[in-house]
Parts: sequence; C-alpha cells; structure tokens
Amino acid sequence: QVQLQESGPGLVKPSGTLSLTCAVSGGSISSSNWWSWVRQPPGKGLEWIGEIYHSGSTNYNPSLKSRVTISVDKSKNHFSLKLSSVTAADTAVYYCATGIAVSGTCAFDIWGQGTMVTVSS
Amino acid sequence: QSALTQPASVSGSPGQSITISCTGTSSDVGGYNYVSWYQQHPGKAPELMIYEVSNRPSGVSNRFSGSKSGNTASLTISGLQAEDEADYYCSSYTSSSTLVFGTGTKVTVL
Repeated sequence: QVQLQESGPGLVKPSGTLSLTCAVSGGSISSSNWWSWVRQPPGKGLEWIGEIYHSGSTNYNPSLKSRVTISVDKSKNHFSLKLSSVTAADTAVYYCATGIAVSGTCAFDIWGQGTMVTVSS
Repeated sequence: QSALTQPASVSGSPGQSITISCTGTSSDVGGYNYVSWYQQHPGKAPELMIYEVSNRPSGVSNRFSGSKSGNTASLTISGLQAEDEADYYCSSYTSSSTLVFGTGTKVTVL
C-alpha cells in the first residue's frame, strides 16, 4: 500500500525558504492521483496548501499562492514544497497527503506522519 | 478563501449520538458533493472518515455517517464511544479548483 514520508529542515530562518520533500513508497507518483500538502500550526486547524499532478499541473491556496511552489520528481518518486519569505506564522506541522482508494473524490485517505517546521532566528 | 464554519466543541455521553455541522457557501459545500470528514487524535495525522458527503472508506465504523443540505454538511456519530474523542475537520472542493478545510470541532465524550 502507498505510504508517504515527509523530510526536510525542522528550523528555517525568517525571510528564508521552507523546503520539504514527500517520498512516495508502495506506488508510483505517476499514477492518476493528485498529491497535496496540508499544514497545521500548533494548536490550530488544518490548512490546505496546494496540490500537484504527475504531469506538473498545480493548484494552490490563493492565500499562499504568491509564495508557494510544488514540484514533482518522477525519477525519485517524490514531490516537493517550497514556501518563500517565511515568517513565524508559517510555523506548523506540514503533512503530505493523497487519495488512493478514494482517488478523484478530493479526499485524502493516505497521509504522511507530518513534520514540524519552526520559523525562528 | 475562507475556512468552512464548524462549532468549536460538541460533547455527548457514551452511547448517545452527536452531530457536527460544517457551513460553507454555494461555491464550495453547496456546489459540490466533494465534502470529506477527518478525525484527528492529538499528535496524530488526520484520518479520513467520510468522503463524497456520505461515503465511508473501508474500515471506518458505520457509526459515522454524513449528509448535506444546501450549504451545510453534517457528520453524525452514533453510539458515541470514548475512542471517538478527537478533533474533527470537514473539507470541501471549491469553485476555484482548490480545497478548503473547516475550522475544526473538538468532540468530548462525557
């Protein structure tokens, strides 16, 4: 079964760029699925960041669109998130997620474990 | 895009039924049947409980059910159990080809 694993620095300086990767195992990133990033600030709710298809097509949260880039590397079977000009408000647990058994329904039945990213000098 | 509106908290006694609402607009909840519900226990990743308004993924208890009327979707948990104590989030597809989550509801089992 498909599994997702996030990786990347746990600490990013203000005004810097947050970079995370989500490794896909047990399946191919070239399958007919959208691959998403979701974040959750400490003690707060979930926020959808954006998604990518293996073709490279993307959709982004309008509130983050100017700072977000999501890309896919089919050779490495992973997809990545870059968030620029970060501030303390970007401190959060970042999850990658996708829908496999529920593909095409805009739902996520597969989630990574999440990775905490803190923005601080 | 604005987060969908959920009550901050809902509580019930074991065995009772509770319902969590999720209110959006005609551009999200009311316009599409792509409403999902997630359960999240502290320190854990969310788990999908309902998709496409009322469908349950394999393995999810039939005590969980979903519905929608107009711009408001609902999640009902029947036969409430201690293990149901968690945070619950709805989500919806939007007319901008994006996804939006709800504000979240903390369910307490008394």
